[in-house]
Amino acid sequence: AQRVTQPEKLLSVFKGAPVELKCNYSYSGSPELFWYVQYSRQRLQLLLRHISRESIKGFTADLNKGETSFHLKKPFAQEEDSAMYYCALSVNSGGSNYKLTFGKGTLLTVNP
Amino acid sequence: KAGVTQTPRYLIKTRGQQVTLSCSPISGHRSVSWYQQTPGQGLQFLFEYFSETQRNKGNFPGRFSGRQFSNSRSEMNVSTLELGDSALYLCASSFSGGAGEKLFFGSGTQLSVL
Repeated sequence: AQRVTQPEKLLSVFKGAPVELKCNYSYSGSPELFWYVQYSRQRLQLLLRHISRESIKGFTADLNKGETSFHLKKPFAQEEDSAMYYCALSVNSGGSNYKLTFGKGTLLTVNP
Repeated sequence: KAGVTQTPRYLIKTRGQQVTLSCSPISGHRSVSWYQQTPGQGLQFLFEYFSETQRNKGNFPGRFSGRQFSNSRSEMNVSTLELGDSALYLCASSFSGGAGEKLFFGSGTQLSVL
């Protein structure tokens, strides 16, 4: 069965320090992976997706199929990066139907 | 473009009652998904509708049901409420619900069951 694991519930770093939020997945198909973010009092929103190979707000994530990981990284954390981050996996549920399976999230706090 | 709209914003119910939550997707989006968000379990998939048909269903009891109308608006219903149903219910829409599509989330309906 498909699963997304975010091993850290909480992560605290200082401003300017590098940050890495871990995400591992298990899925027998070809994975489509995403990072969603929820800032305080805001809606859950897409941060980035691996198919786009983009960098948003300085964050990047590389899909490592060998390690079944999709870790989110930023070289220099900012206070405004403090938020809840969710890793998500798009799973084929038959034909052209897909559903998004989320990890339990990591709460990132960037201290001044 | 208006975002995903969920109503009501807050609901307080008692055990045994039933509740209906509403979601209006972004104009042009035909796929609507529902998620339950709790501190302990995170985001759990409830079901997804596309063109008035349920395409996907998560592992929730039959007390949880939904539907979608011809204008893509969706409702979810929970019958015989239990204390454990207290959660934030999120609705998300996308154009077609395809593999790499971005989901647009609403602000959610906070349901409290007393």
